[in-house]
Amino acid sequence: QQPVQSPQAVILREGEDAVINCSSSKALYSVHWYRQKHGEAPVFLMILLKGGEQKGHDKISASFNEKKQQSSLYLTASQLSYSGTYFCGTVERMLTFGGGTRLMVKP
Amino acid sequence: NAGVMQNPRHLVRRRGQEARLRCSPMKGHSHVYWYRQLPEEGLKFMVYLQKENIIDESGMPKERFSAEFPKEGPSILRIQQVVRGDSAAYFCASSPLEGKTEAFFGQGTRLTVV
Repeated sequence: QQPVQSPQAVILREGEDAVINCSSSKALYSVHWYRQKHGEAPVFLMILLKGGEQKGHDKISASFNEKKQQSSLYLTASQLSYSGTYFCGTVERMLTFGGGTRLMVKP
Repeated sequence: NAGVMQNPRHLVRRRGQEARLRCSPMKGHSHVYWYRQLPEEGLKFMVYLQKENIIDESGMPKERFSAEFPKEGPSILRIQQVVRGDSAAYFCASSPLEGKTEAFFGQGTRLTVV
């Protein structure tokens, strides 16, 4: 069963912050985050393997709440290059993805 | 170390023809996933394979679609008797371990059925 992402779309001004949430009805053992730009392949951002784990990559970070079966992706001081569709992926046996969150950063 | 290679990048087929999509995983990766993506939509899981084994094909239509990952050579996604509704981008991803490491995506094959 695929995870659920929210919101479905976000429009930001450069420099603003955003949070993308990912939740599952089943226990999460790992959460993967990817970004896909239009017409391109998804690109790996980060993976969280343990409950309570937090990771950062430039000004993009993520947290993993194992008990709540949720993960959140935080984009701080957004840049134009952050625009794209963000997918969270969860693993039960295979890697399945949420429906995606379309992020558009405007100047 | 070359990335995940998919070919062809674009494929045009007439209704009723067969489409064969190839995916060569990264060196050392024995796990391959196939996904289908319609324009402006998400990545829909189709099938998960390890070398010579189909681990999970729950996302793949029972008819006309098949997948394999032989001991030697690329993984193949085969669509027989294609219909217009099969038009989509098909991505494969590979990883060295099940679920605990990142999966790397190929550039995709864009299938158009005319």
